[in-house]
Amino acid sequence: KQEVTQIPAALSVPEGENLVLNCSFTDSAIYNLQWFRQDPGKGLTSLLLIQSSQREQTSGRLNASLDKSSGRSTLYIAASQPGDSATYLCAVISSGSARQLTFGSGTQLTVLP
Amino acid sequence: SAVISQKPSRDICQRGTSLTIQCQVDSQVTMMFWYRQQPGQSLTLIATANQGSEATYESGFVIDKFPISRPNLTFSTLTVSNMSPEDSSIYLCSVNWGNTEAFFGQGTRLTVV
Repeated sequence: KQEVTQIPAALSVPEGENLVLNCSFTDSAIYNLQWFRQDPGKGLTSLLLIQSSQREQTSGRLNASLDKSSGRSTLYIAASQPGDSATYLCAVISSGSARQLTFGSGTQLTVLP
Repeated sequence: SAVISQKPSRDICQRGTSLTIQCQVDSQVTMMFWYRQQPGQSLTLIATANQGSEATYESGFVIDKFPISRPNLTFSTLTVSNMSPEDSSIYLCSVNWGNTEAFFGQGTRLTVV
């Protein structure tokens, strides 16, 4: 059974810092990996999708990498801003599944002005 | 991408009553997913809903408690039946666009008193 772990659980940084969020998964047979952002009490916003054949994806100040063989992904946020404060979730779709996502428990990020 | 409209966005309900949550997608999709997010927790899949067939429920979730309808390729409902305070959660619907990237509705924040 696929398990997804995210560390740290919470992170507080001053504005302007570059930071890295970590995600690991136990079964490397994945279809893709996706990073989401969730604001308090709200739904999920898709940030980046990495297909299993890809190594990384970039969108603006965000860069996500994938090392499928080691079961790891990182989300790099450059020049953090207070508006980046949210919970960041990673999720994988396992190969052979019905395309449902298995989520990590999230990293709660606070960027201090 | 897919745009998902979910309603209600929030509700406060009396124990013993039922609430039906609606999810409308702007495009036809084969599978729709319903997730639950309990306070402070990550997302857990409740069931997968395909048009024209009964929903497939995950371990720990049963149809009598969470009946699902999927009358067409753009719409689904989830009912939370005979509610108790333990059902207080955010409920989210999701679709996979192009069988790859997942998109979510804005969620329904349910409080049972």
